[in-house]
Amino acid sequence: DAGVTQSPTHLIKTRGQQVTLRCSPISGHKSVSWYQQVLGQGPQFIFQYYEKEERGRGNFPDRFSARQFPNYSSELNVNALLLGDSALYLCASREGYNSPLHFGNGTRLTVT
Amino acid sequence: GESVGLHLPTLSVQEGDNSIINCAYSNSASDYFIWYKQESGKGPQFIIDIRSNMDKRQGQRVTVLLNKTVKHLSLQIAATQPGDSAVYFCAETLGGNTGKLIFGQGTTLQVKP
Repeated sequence: DAGVTQSPTHLIKTRGQQVTLRCSPISGHKSVSWYQQVLGQGPQFIFQYYEKEERGRGNFPDRFSARQFPNYSSELNVNALLLGDSALYLCASREGYNSPLHFGNGTRLTVT
Repeated sequence: GESVGLHLPTLSVQEGDNSIINCAYSNSASDYFIWYKQESGKGPQFIIDIRSNMDKRQGQRVTVLLNKTVKHLSLQIAATQPGDSAVYFCAETLGGNTGKLIFGQGTTLQVKP
């Protein structure tokens, strides 16, 4: 079975631009979470979605938004990009409330 | 806010030896803990998890120990192999919500041939 898939794998954007990152969860997983991982640090929680509803939000500005579609795939949008938004953006999915989170390989975003 | 911390940034071991990676967590209310392995260019890979009602859990070549008294978590890897070289993260969650994890900084495991 395919794991969590993310696209694109790499992206270069300019300050002030907007970006959309995409994620397909493992088949059968209805919950998707997004994390930001800055180089040399552990991932930081951004959003959690379940059944198309936001179920949690981390300490990120309103420039960050996300949504989940009926097929449980998800998109993360970041507006007005800053240099500090350069990071690896990870999507993860899980089968149920107490199930472990499984991560994709991420989208590497570079803001210049 | 709460964070999960790791004691050592880098651990270097000889191939075939056992490895022990430590983690200290700060929130006594955390009830679920996970260890992840992250290789260069990849996302974190689930290794093993443990709930707060357990002290020990074993997997294939890995064992996780939980000491709630001192809020300490450890990952033991038996017969460490070159393929075990990676960054290891412990993560905790509150209230059983495994979608929202708090990660530590990570420990880099280097396996010498």
